[in-house]
Amino acid sequence: DTGVSQNPRHKITKRGQNVTFRCDPISEHNRLYWYRQTLGQGPEFLTYFQNEAQLEKSRLLSDRFSAERPKGSFSTLEIQRTEQGDSAMYLCASSASGLSAYEQYFGPGTRLTVT
Amino acid sequence: GNSVTQMEGPVTLSEEAFLTINCTYTATGYPSLFWYVQYPGEGLQLLLKATKADDKGSNKGFEATYRKETTSFHLEKGSVQVSDSAVYFCALSERGSSNTGKLIFGQGTTLQVKP
Repeated sequence: DTGVSQNPRHKITKRGQNVTFRCDPISEHNRLYWYRQTLGQGPEFLTYFQNEAQLEKSRLLSDRFSAERPKGSFSTLEIQRTEQGDSAMYLCASSASGLSAYEQYFGPGTRLTVT
Repeated sequence: GNSVTQMEGPVTLSEEAFLTINCTYTATGYPSLFWYVQYPGEGLQLLLKATKADDKGSNKGFEATYRKETTSFHLEKGSVQVSDSAVYFCALSERGSSNTGKLIFGQGTTLQVKP
């Protein structure tokens, strides 16, 4: 078990470009979450997958954002036409079902800077 | 809606001092409560949790008790060390089969421990 991994760790992009981030959860975890964290704030929920199904999306997730989890394994988060306000740390977390369902394990995050 | 409020930081203590970081919550149901810690340059780590009223979570000398009557989950440690310097996040998650387990975080409290 290598934990949750995220790639890339850092991304600098120009306003208007598209970016894609990847998350690899802990292998036996069927639940996957994306959060966004801005400087000095706690993480904010973006979206949730159970296996390959996207079951909840936050109102924070505008139509420029899309997330997928094909085959219920890794997940990708794409931001189209990036804006400066998208600059943040994007965190991925995973958890198992059952009694430990609410214990989430976080990846190191992808720091996005939009110039 | 559900929310978490933490005391503002930074909290600056001398080594071996007693630590309290206050956390209160608002929730419509009976949430699970968590403390996560973020050490400099690292990802979020689960520190401790409590899933029902009067439960006490503990780990690495830290403790927090789920107080339903005061809707609080204050973090305490009897003797802090320099290595405890980090950002601490209080969080809640609604329970139940219809809930996704998403976490709602407070804004975080920075702890600085001086030798």
